[in-house]
Amino acid sequence: DAMVIQNPRYQVTQFGKPVTLSCSQTLNHNVMYWYQQKSSQAPKLLFHYYDKDFNNEADTPDNFQSRRPNTSFCFLDIRSPGLGDAAMYLCATSKVDTEAFFGQGTRLTVV
Amino acid sequence: RKEVEQDPGPFNVPEGATVAFNCTYSNSASQSFFWYRQDCRKEPKLLMSVYSSGNEDGRFTAQLNRASQYISLLIRDSKLSDSATYLCVVNSGSARQLTFGSGTQLTVLP
Repeated sequence: DAMVIQNPRYQVTQFGKPVTLSCSQTLNHNVMYWYQQKSSQAPKLLFHYYDKDFNNEADTPDNFQSRRPNTSFCFLDIRSPGLGDAAMYLCATSKVDTEAFFGQGTRLTVV
Repeated sequence: RKEVEQDPGPFNVPEGATVAFNCTYSNSASQSFFWYRQDCRKEPKLLMSVYSSGNEDGRFTAQLNRASQYISLLIRDSKLSDSATYLCVVNSGSARQLTFGSGTQLTVLP
């Protein structure tokens, strides 16, 4: 059974139209991560939560926001998607200092 | 300098070959180290954790050298199914960041 679930698997959004991606986990891990991965590139960390403590990477654009209402769920909000935001968005969870488990990702297309 | 650097690749090797990937990390406070495998258009999946004493899992051997801040992955007797991108991942402990290397693409040829 999938332990980290991302919805939707594929998302098409219009240029400038807000979009929300969701992630849920059944592992009860206290750390949750959002990564952006573009074609032929490594995953790039956008931000992570340690419990409710939010940590934004310095180079993450303001256009990207996140919410973690409880341990199990985490959301990625893209306020005004641009063509350059088309990518695979990966959610991962871990305990501190252990391996991360990834969801299957959401592939975002901006038209 | 990037936090985590990997061999640029790509590596194209014949079936049955032995291939080694290297990775260096810049944060001496890093606590945990991993190799992930990523197939095309799929999510990364844990291949193995890397322990100070070195560890082996079948055809795969991982080594960690903390003094040199260096991690390696050795694949023996390569199979066609080993073709993937291999990502070196470092957990920087107190910062609770998982940082990925740029990945090394491996193609095993028949």
